Amino acid sequence: DTGVSQDPRHKITKRGQNVTFRCDPISEHNRLYWYRQTLGQGPEFLTYFQNEAQLEKSRLLSDRFSAERPKGSFSTLEIQRTEQGDSAMYLCASSLAGLETQYFGPGTRLLVL
Amino acid sequence: EDQVTQSPEALRLQEGESSSLNCSYTVSGLRGLFWYRQDPGKGPEFLFTLYSAGEEKEKERLKATLTKKESFLHITAPKPEDSATYLCAVQARIQGAQKLVFGQGTRLTINP
Repeated sequence: DTGVSQDPRHKITKRGQNVTFRCDPISEHNRLYWYRQTLGQGPEFLTYFQNEAQLEKSRLLSDRFSAERPKGSFSTLEIQRTEQGDSAMYLCASSLAGLETQYFGPGTRLLVL
Repeated sequence: EDQVTQSPEALRLQEGESSSLNCSYTVSGLRGLFWYRQDPGKGPEFLFTLYSAGEEKEKERLKATLTKKESFLHITAPKPEDSATYLCAVQARIQGAQKLVFGQGTRLTINP
């Protein structure tokens, strides 16, 4: 059990550029979640997948954000036309259906200049 | 709307000085309440899940308790390595809902 992994760990981009983050969940976990965390705040839910189906999306997930989990394994989160307000830590978590505990990865810290 | 409020926002203790962190919540039916520890620049690390009022769980110097309106994280004789931000989150008992709603965290500093 290697835990949840995320790549890259850090990303600096210019406003208007597109960025993509990857998350690899714990191998047997069929649920995968994305959260966003800004400095001094707790994580805020963005979206979650069960297997390859995206089942819940937050109002925070604007049209510029898209998430995929094409084969029910890893997931990607893409932000198009980044804005300075997108600067945050993007956290991925995974869990096993039927067990509620979510295990988090190390996060991807995004800075939009 | 589900809501979690943690207090205090920050707490400084001397090594060995026991204290408690508070998590007050409102939720439309509680499926679970979760405590996480987060070190600077890292993802949250799972500590405890509590499901019903009266439940208690312990791990080393930490003990979590739950009532119908709040949860406490008691830290006994803390050490400097217990310094971190402690996050509380709730999950609502709603069909199909899996999201965690987090509080803003309590930043704990243990001075040697």
